[in-house]
This record gives sequence, C-alpha cells and structure tokens, in this order.
Amino acid sequence: DIQMTQSPSSLSASVGDRVTITCRASQGISNYLAWYQQRPGKVPRLLIYAASSLQSGVPSRFSGSGSGTDFTLTISSLQPEDVATYYCQKYNSAPLTFGGGTKVEIK
Amino acid sequence: EVQLVESGGGLVQPGGSLRLSCAASGFTFRSYAMNWVRQAPGKGLEWVSSTSGSGGGTFYADSVKGRFTISRDNSKNTLYLQMNSLRAEDTAIYYCAKGYDYNYYYHIDVWGKGTTVTVSS
Repeated sequence: DIQMTQSPSSLSASVGDRVTITCRASQGISNYLAWYQQRPGKVPRLLIYAASSLQSGVPSRFSGSGSGTDFTLTISSLQPEDVATYYCQKYNSAPLTFGGGTKVEIK
Repeated sequence: EVQLVESGGGLVQPGGSLRLSCAASGFTFRSYAMNWVRQAPGKGLEWVSSTSGSGGGTFYADSVKGRFTISRDNSKNTLYLQMNSLRAEDTAIYYCAKGYDYNYYYHIDVWGKGTTVTVSS
C-alpha cells in the first residue's frame, strides 16, 4: 500500500508568515491528492483537490502544488483562523490513505 | 444544502457489534460515492471504507476488513456501517463523508459531524 508522509508534524509561525507543509507519497499518485483543514474541535473541511484546485469558498491564501510523489500546501499569509491540523489524502485507489497531519499554531 | 447526519454510535463491549447510519439530504444520493472516516481520540484521520454510488463497489482499510461492512440504501438516502467483533482500538469518532463523484476514487467534499463509538468493558 502507498504510504503518505507529512512534514513537519507541527509548526509555529507568526501572523502574516508564509507557511509550507509537505506531503510525500511512497509511490506516484499523479495528482490524486487532497488537503483538508481541521480546526480544533471541528469537522474536517476540504481545502484543495486534484493537488492544486482550490475548493469553492476557501481563501485564496491557500494553494497546493505537486504531482507524482511530492506535494505542498502553502498558506501565503498565515491568519489566526488558520490554526488547525492539516491532512493530505491520496485517492487514486484504495486504501484512500491520509497523511499523519501537520498541526499549525501561531507564534 | 448538503447534509450528512450520523447516528448509532455508543458504548459497546469488546467483541460486540454496532451499526452506524448516515442520513443524507440536499443532493442526489445515488449519484455519489460515500465514505466512512474515523478519528481516534487525539489522533489523526483514518480512512475506513468507501462505496460507489450504486453500492456495487466496496473498499475497506486492512484494519477493519472482514469485521466491518459498508452498505447503502439509495431509496432511503442512507449509508450504513455494520461493525462486528469490535476492539478497543476501534474507539473513535466516525465521520460519514460524501465523495465528489459516483466512483470512490475522488476526494471527499462534505463531512458529517460524526458519531462517537467507544469500545470498552
């Protein structure tokens, strides 16, 4: 099975900083990758699908890139409401594995 | 508005069974794949199972294969997860989640609020 590895597992940054989270697949998955945000105590929310397509209603400071095995989620200017755990998920075939998550905090 | 409402969670003893339900509304249920995703206390998201729009294709995580069964009743707009031989490590919030398209190999675009399953003696 394909493994999904996220890094870092946690990070702390200042408001306005550019934040980058990476997700690596153990085998190529083309662009079958999504990113989700889960705020504390809340339900996960889709941010990005097909590696780089922004879900409707998601602020444009979020962007995704990558293809094959290496992917990134970028927050161009971190805001207080972005405090959350971010997960990648591959969906090219079963199992639809999630990454371990990256917890983002404000410094 | 798309809504997914889970029910059926609760406290069950190890080795016991439970059936979760997910009532869907606001979209043409039979046209979309559906998923179950769980989250153990303080842990990350774990994909559990998916089914295609017709219910003809079903897929499971190795951790639940042979113990859990996903099914759907498109006439009732309801998704199910039958969970047998439950273990302590199955304790989690179980989320019902809508796939973006008919087949399972698409991203999840809508999540329910979840139902909590606790396996303990």
